[in-house]
This record gives sequence, C-alpha cells and structure tokens, in this order.
Amino acid sequence: KQEVTQIPAALSVPEGENLVLNCSFTDSAIYNLQWFRQDPGKGLTSLLLIQSSQREQTSGRLNASLDKSSGRSTLYIAASQPGDSATYLCAVDSGGYNKLIFGAGTRLAVHP
Amino acid sequence: DAGVTQSPTHLIKTRGQQVTLRCSPISGHKSVSWYQQVLGQGPQFIFQYYEKEERGRGNFPDRFSARQFPNYSSELNVNALLLGDSALYLCASSSGQGLTEAFFGQGTRLTVV
Repeated sequence: KQEVTQIPAALSVPEGENLVLNCSFTDSAIYNLQWFRQDPGKGLTSLLLIQSSQREQTSGRLNASLDKSSGRSTLYIAASQPGDSATYLCAVDSGGYNKLIFGAGTRLAVHP
Repeated sequence: DAGVTQSPTHLIKTRGQQVTLRCSPISGHKSVSWYQQVLGQGPQFIFQYYEKEERGRGNFPDRFSARQFPNYSSELNVNALLLGDSALYLCASSSGQGLTEAFFGQGTRLTVV
C-alpha cells in the first residue's frame, strides 16, 4: 500500500530564505508525482508535475526533484516571500488513473 | 478558460440526510476524480471516472456513489450522512486516464450537524 509522508509538518521562515520541503513515498512504482499549494479553506493549485522518467521540473522560483529509487521528492523554493505562505502537498499517482495518494502537507509561514 | 467548477461552495446538512455535489471539469477534459479532505489532513481519493465509466474507487463505504454524464460533468452522492462526513470535497479533472496533470476545483465545504 502506497504511503506518502511529508516533512516537516510546519515551517516558519523569514522572508528571503531558500527552503526545501520533503516528500517520501513507500512504493517506487509510480507514474508521476505532483506538488500542490493549498490556501486555507481553498482548493488545490497545481505547482509542478514530474513524470516517473524525469528527474526534476522547474517553474519560476520553484524546483522539484524526483528520486524514484529512494522514494523521495523535494520542493525547493528560492527567495521565499510572504505570499508563499500556504500548505504544500505532494501526491503520487501509483495506478495510472490519476488516483492520487497525498501526504498530509507542510504548512509554510513566511514572515516579513 | 474556466477552471474546474464545483457547486455548491458550502452546504449544511443534518445527520441521516442525503447530499449531491456537482463538478464541471475543464473543457476538453474527460477524467474526473473526487477527494475528501478532513481538516488537517491530505485529500483522500474517493472515485475516478473516465469516459463515463468508473475507473477507480477508494476505501469509502457504499453510502458514497458517483456518476459522470455525457458532457463529462460529475455528481458525488452521499447517503445517510454521518457527522464524520463533514469535510472539504474536492473535484479534479485531467485530460486523460493518467500520466497527466490534475487540476482541482475550489471544493465544497460540507458540514453535517
């Protein structure tokens, strides 16, 4: 059974710091991994999608890497801003039908 | 282009009642999935439909059912509501069965009293 864990559960940093969010999964047989952002009480916003054959994806200040063999992904956020404050969720698709298995998320607070 | 739209945004129901939640996928997307998110946790997969057929089902009781219509919109039905069904219900659409990016709606906040 696929399980996804995110560390840390919460993070508070001053504006401008570079930071790394971690995601691990127990079964390396995945189709893809996706990172999302969720603001309080809102839906999910897709940030990055990494296919199983890829090692990393970049979008603006965000960079996500994938190491299938070790069951790990990291989301790197450069030069953090207060507007980055949100919960960040990673999800893996193990079945190929967009049946996403989510971690519990990392709650990020960036203070001025 | 409109994103994934869900209705209603908020809903309050009494224990034992039935509820229907609606989702319209992004234009051109044929796959719709439903998730339940309890406060403080990540979303949990409920159903996935592709081309109007159920392609996946999560570990939820038979009180939960869904369907997809010819225009690819979808409904999630929950019967005999329990207090524990209170959650944010999220709908996601994608263009294919898998290997594609999932886009989520803003969710329906269901409160059971």
